[in-house]
Amino acid sequence: GAVVSQHPSRVICKSGTSVKIECRSLDFQATTMFWYRQFPKQSLMLMATSNEGSKATYEQGVEKDKFLINHASLTLSTLTVTSAHPEDSSFYICSLITGQTSYNEQFFGPGTRLTVL
Amino acid sequence: SQQGEEDPQALSIQEGENATMNCSYKTSINNLQWYRQNSGRGLVHLILIRSNEREKHSGRLRVTLDTSKKSSSLLITASRAADTASYFCATLSQNFVFGPGTRLSVLP
Repeated sequence: GAVVSQHPSRVICKSGTSVKIECRSLDFQATTMFWYRQFPKQSLMLMATSNEGSKATYEQGVEKDKFLINHASLTLSTLTVTSAHPEDSSFYICSLITGQTSYNEQFFGPGTRLTVL
Repeated sequence: SQQGEEDPQALSIQEGENATMNCSYKTSINNLQWYRQNSGRGLVHLILIRSNEREKHSGRLRVTLDTSKKSSSLLITASRAADTASYFCATLSQNFVFGPGTRLSVLP
C-alpha cells in the first residue's frame, strides 16, 4: 500500500484568510491525487482530481478559484482554501491510487480539520 | 473505521437489465454511503442513507438498509454502459477504508 500524510491535521483561522493544506505521498510517486471534503455526519464529497504537472480537474459545483490545487511534484499536492469563510469549515482529505491493485484501492491521508471563525 | 463488504465482487449484465449489489457491515452505524469509482478516478458519492431510513431513491438508483441484518443493497435499474464502474459502500468515521467493491460491467 501507500502511506499518505497531511499537514496540518487541524487548523483554525479567521474569516478571510487563506489556508494551505499539504498532502504527501511518503512512499509512492503519485501522478494523480484526489481531494475530498466531508461535513459532519455527511459523505465524502470529491472536490477535485490533482494531476502532477497540469491543472486540476474540479467536480461540478467546486470553485476552482476558491480551492486552489497545486500538484508540483509526484509526492506533494496542496490545496489552498482562499479567503476562507465559516461555511468552508470542514474535514479535508486527500487520497491517491497506486494502480497496483485490481480494484483501484484508494489510500487516504488522515485528513485536515479546518475551522473558520 | 468501518469497512463495508460488498458482494458480488464482479457483476456483468446487459444494458437495460437491473443490477443489484449488496453490502454488509459489522457495527452500529449512523448512516451508510454508496460510492462509484470509474477506473483511475476518484470516488463519487451516490447516496447516503441514514440508520432510521429503510429505503432511498435517486434517479435510477435505489438503496435499501436493514439495520437488523447490518446490510444494504444498491439497485441500479435500466442499466447503461456508462454505469460500468466499481461500487463501494462505506460507513465512515475518522479513518477511511473501503472494501474491494463490486465491479459492474454493463455490456451494450
